[in-house]
This record gives sequence, structure tokens and C-alpha cells, in this order.
Amino acid sequence: QVQLVESGGGVVKPGRSLRLSCAASGFTFRSDGMHWVRQAPDKRLEWVAVISYNGNYTYYSDSVRGRFKISRDNSQNTLYLQMNSLRPEDTAVYYCVKDRRGGYGIDPWGQGTLVTVSS
Amino acid sequence: AIQLTQSPSSLSASVGDRVIISCRASQDISNALAWYQQTPGRGPKLLIYDASSLESGVPSRFSGSGSGTHFTLTITSLQPEDFATYYCQEFDSYPLTFGGGTKVEIK
Repeated sequence: QVQLVESGGGVVKPGRSLRLSCAASGFTFRSDGMHWVRQAPDKRLEWVAVISYNGNYTYYSDSVRGRFKISRDNSQNTLYLQMNSLRPEDTAVYYCVKDRRGGYGIDPWGQGTLVTVSS
Repeated sequence: AIQLTQSPSSLSASVGDRVIISCRASQDISNALAWYQQTPGRGPKLLIYDASSLESGVPSRFSGSGSGTHFTLTITSLQPEDFATYYCQEFDSYPLTFGGGTKVEIK
């Protein structure tokens, strides 16, 4: 079955960088778009970024554009999120999510990895 | 960016009740909407895609309807495992947005 496993979260000081990874298995990774979605403690879900199946297209939320970069390595079945110039408001659980093939929706979701930005 | 307004933000209901959650978009998004269920400590689960299509494996007591700017998620005969937070998400254009969530609690 489809499995998405995020890693790379942790505690980081404001202004520093962190790279998240998402290891995908159970499906043809190179065929599907992928998203990052985050959720601050006790807050709503916030969509962060998307990358097309081949990496040619990326889109970002206004709050991270210019600081975060989504990328993928289809040979390694891995999705990445490079996060630079981190701010306290970036503190959240970050989820890796697969595009639903056909139809408007994204699923399944990984278990999430917690990023805490604090001095 | 498109704004999604969910209502109510929370509700109390009993097992067996019918529950209706509303999601309103700030502009016409046709049927580009999905609904998710999230239980504490877990990632969300897709329930409904294309505004009204039931995701495989999701119980038939869940249904979605609407198009344009007004959408609803209906749960007929609420079950104990349905007490959770529900979110809508639009796919009309990037950046994508989520509604604020509706927490369904036990009465």
C-alpha cells in the first residue's frame, strides 16, 4: 500500500535552515504530483507547496514563497522541502501528501514531522 | 487566494444524529473541492473528492454536495469513530486553501 514517511524535523533557531524529506513507497512515485501541508499546534491545515510529477512545475503559499523550495528525486522516490530563513510562525507538523490520481483531492497523508522554530 | 469559510466551527452531536457541515468559497470554484477527516494526533484522511464523489473505502454515511460557492458534508447516523475535525479544501487555483475546520464532539 501507499506509504509516505517524513523525516528531518526538529528544533531550529529563527533564521536557520532545515530540510525535510519524505520517502515514498507502494506507488509509482514519478507519476504523481506531491504536496507539503503543515499544521501549527491547534490550528487549521495550511497548504505549503506542490510539485508536478516530473518536477517541472512548483507552486507555493504566499507565506513561504521565496524561503522554501520543494523538490523531488524520482530515482530515489523521495520528496524534499528545503526551508530557509525559518520563523517562529513556521512551527508546525509538516505532512507529505500525494496527489489523488484523477479528481480534486490529496491522499494519503504521511504521519507528519514536527518543526519547531524557537530561540 | 480563495477563502473558504466553514460553519459551524464546532458542534455537539449524539451517536445516530445527522450532521451537516457547510463550506463556502469566496468565488466560484465549480466542483474543485475535497473534504477530510482528522482525528487527534493523526494526518487527515480524504473522504470526498470532486465535491461529491466518495473516496474508496469511506463509509456511505458520508456524502458531499454542492458546486460553485456553497458545499456541504453530510454524515447520516453519526458513529463513535466519526467524532473528529473535518476540513474542506479547494483546488481551483494556487495557492490552495483549507477551511477553518469543524470539530464534531460528543454530546
